[in-house]
This record gives sequence, structure tokens and C-alpha cells, in this order.
Amino acid sequence: DAGITQSPRHKVTETGTPVTLRCHQTENHRYMYWYRQDPGHGLRLIHYSYGVKDTDKGEVSDGYSVSRSKTEDFLLTLESATSSQTSVYFCAISAGRRDTEAFFGQGTRLTVV
Amino acid sequence: GQSLEQPSEVTAVEGAIVQINCTYQTSGFYGLSWYQQHDGGAPTFLSYNALDGLEETGRFSSFLSRSDSYGYLLLQELQMKDSASYFCAVRAEAAGNKLTFGGGTRVLVKP
Repeated sequence: DAGITQSPRHKVTETGTPVTLRCHQTENHRYMYWYRQDPGHGLRLIHYSYGVKDTDKGEVSDGYSVSRSKTEDFLLTLESATSSQTSVYFCAISAGRRDTEAFFGQGTRLTVV
Repeated sequence: GQSLEQPSEVTAVEGAIVQINCTYQTSGFYGLSWYQQHDGGAPTFLSYNALDGLEETGRFSSFLSRSDSYGYLLLQELQMKDSASYFCAVRAEAAGNKLTFGGGTRVLVKP
């Protein structure tokens, strides 16, 4: 157990509203990631962080922003939610050899109506 | 950038052996890792190959050949509980150290 907690676990929101998802870790890992998972698309990287206030974009970053003001928390914000952002969102940390072993949170199922 | 290709689906019977291939286009990566995900769950780490060759962990083995830009996950003595999706992944310094996943292979085990 890598001590990763996502909140909320489920959320329904309306189109055009901002939404923030939280990822909390308890073991001081440097790297944290946000992925979205949709049928037929596997795990697609949205944003990732390599330290406090150090973040970078992934392959599907449009419409999303992130913040990491503390080592333990990595926030994902949908600035103005759209139906195309309905998805399951996973937070992960990487550890182990060369930080290649990823451990995931339980996921957040977000529905935008 | 990085890209990893996997077959989308494999079907096999209990007790059989399944090989899931992963071909990649990336350079300077640290190694190839594999993950399992059951329906409705989160991905879980299975194995990691830093060097070329075979790594064995119980019924599962993973292989890497950097010269061929290729790796595979071998599932032996298949059990019903092995029905899941399997993902390969790489992390490369040249790509900003982000962890990139393949599209996943859905394995269906039949009685």
C-alpha cells in the first residue's frame, strides 16, 4: 500500500462548472501523475509533477490544470467541465528502481452532464 | 515522444499460456514495467525489466529486448482470476521522466 488517496471517489457535475480532484500521498514520493482512462484509450497522462511547484503537461492536458503546493498533495482542476471530460481519473505515484514502479489511487469516476 | 503498442485483446482457456507483446518507440528509457487492472479496479504493478532478458515472478514472467524495441509479459497456467487488462509502461529521461502507458491488452480466460 503506497498510501494514495483520491477524493472524491465519485462526482457528477454540470457542464461549465469548475471541478477539483485531490490526490494525497503519505510517503513523500517525488513523482505524482494524473491519468484519465476511457474505454479503448488505456491510461492517458494529463499532467505530472516532479516536485513541489514543478509540473509538466502530458498528452491530454487541454482543459486541465494542476497544482502541487505540498509534497503530499496533487490537485487536478477542470477549469470548465465538458461532457468529453467524463472519465475515470487515476492519480499515481512512482517509486522503486528509477521511479518506474507506479502505484495508483482508487480512481475518481467523474460524470459531466 | 514515446509510444507503446499492444494487442487489444487475447482470449485463452484455463491452464494455457498467453504472451502479451509490447513494442515501443522511445529512446533512453530506464526499463519496461507491466501492470494488471481488473474491471472496476485500479492498475497494480506486476513487474519491471531494467535489463534485457527474462524476469520471473511466479506464474508471470516479463522479457525485454532493447535491441528489438520489444518486450512481453508471459502468463502461465492461466486462471480465471487472470482475466484483466494488462499494460506495459516506460519512463524515459528524454521524455521528461513521465511515465507512459501502452493502450492495454484485455485478457479473457475461458473455462
